[in-house]
Amino acid sequence: GQQVMQIPQYQHVQEGEDFTTYCNSSTTLSNIQWYKQRPGGHPVFLIQLVKSGEVKKQKRLTFQFGEAKKNSSLHITATQTTDVGTYFCAGRTGNQFYFGTGTSLTVIP
Amino acid sequence: NAGVMQNPRHLVRRRGQEARLRCSPMKGHSHVYWYRQLPEEGLKFMVYLQKENIIDESGMPKERFSAEFPKEGPSILRIQQVVRGDSAAYFCASSPPAGWNNEQFFGPGTRLTVL
Repeated sequence: GQQVMQIPQYQHVQEGEDFTTYCNSSTTLSNIQWYKQRPGGHPVFLIQLVKSGEVKKQKRLTFQFGEAKKNSSLHITATQTTDVGTYFCAGRTGNQFYFGTGTSLTVIP
Repeated sequence: NAGVMQNPRHLVRRRGQEARLRCSPMKGHSHVYWYRQLPEEGLKFMVYLQKENIIDESGMPKERFSAEFPKEGPSILRIQQVVRGDSAAYFCASSPPAGWNNEQFFGPGTRLTVL
């Protein structure tokens, strides 16, 4: 069945270092969304990518959608303590959104 | 404009009891989704509803679980005869009428504990 995997599952970085999480789908996706969930909180929408090869930036965050629309990545430049949380990708096929397993980011001051 | 509201925020049930989780979407949103999140895991899609219609329930367990989104009032996720394995956070999300192509706004979740 459909699977969306994310790596790594956990990532600890020193404040100021960069961070990347990767999202891979077993099937082609119509679009992909990224969410951030703080500890004890609920997912908050970050961005949606629709086009093959699309790249979008939000300040220190860069999002990419692969050419084959099967993978995506989120890169954070110069992490800050406010970046702490779990980052989920969510890929759409048909009527469903399949959430990735998430990458939990810890930023060490 | 209030966000997505869920109640209760925390719910404790004994095995065999029923759990009713409520979700009020954002104003103007006609699409509601329910997800389950186990500790240290991602979100698992359960069901996608529009007013008075179930669009996709392929993520719902075949037994004991049901969902509705009536013409008036909140969406309800109902779990009958709860078991310990049902303990999880249940999130509701809503989106405007364009459906899946729009961002989903999540509620704060209901944390269900089955004793």
